[in-house]
Amino acid sequence: QSVLTQPPSVSGAPGQRVTISCTGSSSNIGAGYDVHWYQQLPGTAPKLLIYGNSNRPSGVPDRFSGSKSGTSASLAITGLQAEDEADYYCQSYDSSLSALFGTGTKVTVL
Amino acid sequence: EVQLVESGGGLVQPGGSLRLSCAASGFTFSSYWMHWVRQAPGKGLVWVSRINSDGSSTSYADSVKGRFTISRDNAKNTLYLQMNSLRAEDTAVYYCASNYYDSSGYLYWFDPWGQGTLVTVSS
Repeated sequence: QSVLTQPPSVSGAPGQRVTISCTGSSSNIGAGYDVHWYQQLPGTAPKLLIYGNSNRPSGVPDRFSGSKSGTSASLAITGLQAEDEADYYCQSYDSSLSALFGTGTKVTVL
Repeated sequence: EVQLVESGGGLVQPGGSLRLSCAASGFTFSSYWMHWVRQAPGKGLVWVSRINSDGSSTSYADSVKGRFTISRDNAKNTLYLQMNSLRAEDTAVYYCASNYYDSSGYLYWFDPWGQGTLVTVSS
């Protein structure tokens, strides 16, 4: 199964804006499947952060935003805070409705 | 409260078997698709298997096909993963997660997730 490609790490100072890319292909993201994002704090289970490309579940701060274009998607964190230090994963599907996860990005707050 | 609780992990020798369970509560379990996702130590999330709401359709990652079997008991609100012929590379935290498949063919996001259960394959 194919995977979705993310940068291994991104970093920024408190208050800055960082973005995480998620690159797929014409058989997954480019085929029209939505992209969802999960945050995984150290030692915990993943938690839904963004669903349906750009929607935030109740309780997720509005400094998190998502977008999708073509075969890629991106997650932006504006006003970076220390508590945002975590691993972030994108997720989509292929034509067999098998789930695909991104390779994961570690966000470090400097 | 919507909750998924995994159990059954532990230490097993290569070639051995283990059955994981995932108990669901707080939502209509029989209406949701269920998945297993694993995470090797220090590595990323990898989808393992899924089963549809009534158990009539399953799918597996190539790495576990023929060795793992996913099943569910809707009367007991419980998901299972039977793991046979285990290998060292199967060592991981195994999470169960749920999502919804609607009549238009849209498969939703994973929410909620369980807390995970650790499987260690080692001699």
